[in-house]
Amino acid sequence: RKEVEQDPGPFNVPEGATVAFNCTYSNSASQSFFWYRQDCRKEPKLLMSVYSSGNEDGRFTAQLNRASQYISLLIRDSKLSDSATYLCVVSNNNDMRFGAGTRLTVKP
Amino acid sequence: EPEVTQTPSHQVTQMGQEVILRCVPISNHLYFYWYRQILGQKVEFLVSFYNNEISEKSEIFDDQFSVERPDGSNFTLKIRSTKLEDSAMYFCASDTSGRRGDEQFFGPGTRLTVL
Repeated sequence: RKEVEQDPGPFNVPEGATVAFNCTYSNSASQSFFWYRQDCRKEPKLLMSVYSSGNEDGRFTAQLNRASQYISLLIRDSKLSDSATYLCVVSNNNDMRFGAGTRLTVKP
Repeated sequence: EPEVTQTPSHQVTQMGQEVILRCVPISNHLYFYWYRQILGQKVEFLVSFYNNEISEKSEIFDDQFSVERPDGSNFTLKIRSTKLEDSAMYFCASDTSGRRGDEQFFGPGTRLTVL
């Protein structure tokens, strides 16, 4: 089983759509969880941390289920600028493990 | 806004040559990291560094690799004898404390091409 597993997509959605990404991780000792976004040939940038209670930042909602070792990201009212690859990241101490990413394209 | 910088942006080298990739982390950050991303693949953790020593390293970070903080600002990754499969984007990152949940800030990367 891969350490961090994501559906690679691509997800092609119209503007305004709601889209959800899922991620599973194998290391039950993982302590911190993040969603990063990466634009083509650019560095990863933090989108949001993921907390056990779930958290929301504007149009973005992240959920964590430790029992199932599952993380999700929901994007509401998609914008053209949301087009990117979304990376699920799981950390144990300083050792960050990245998923391969889910590619999202938002179309007019 | 402070940012992590990396030089060069693109490095081309011959197989077997040594390369040094340079990073300047954000000035008040204490933990430093190197990652690599082979084209089309996932970002892979290489090493974390704190207080002038390695704190964690992955299975990728073998004896060919070394890191150093030679002065108060630079953080370097050396690959002693490059192989074709070392061709990748190398990202440096830093954060304020290394505490779980802190955001790591990534530099723009150095694209290494080994011929």
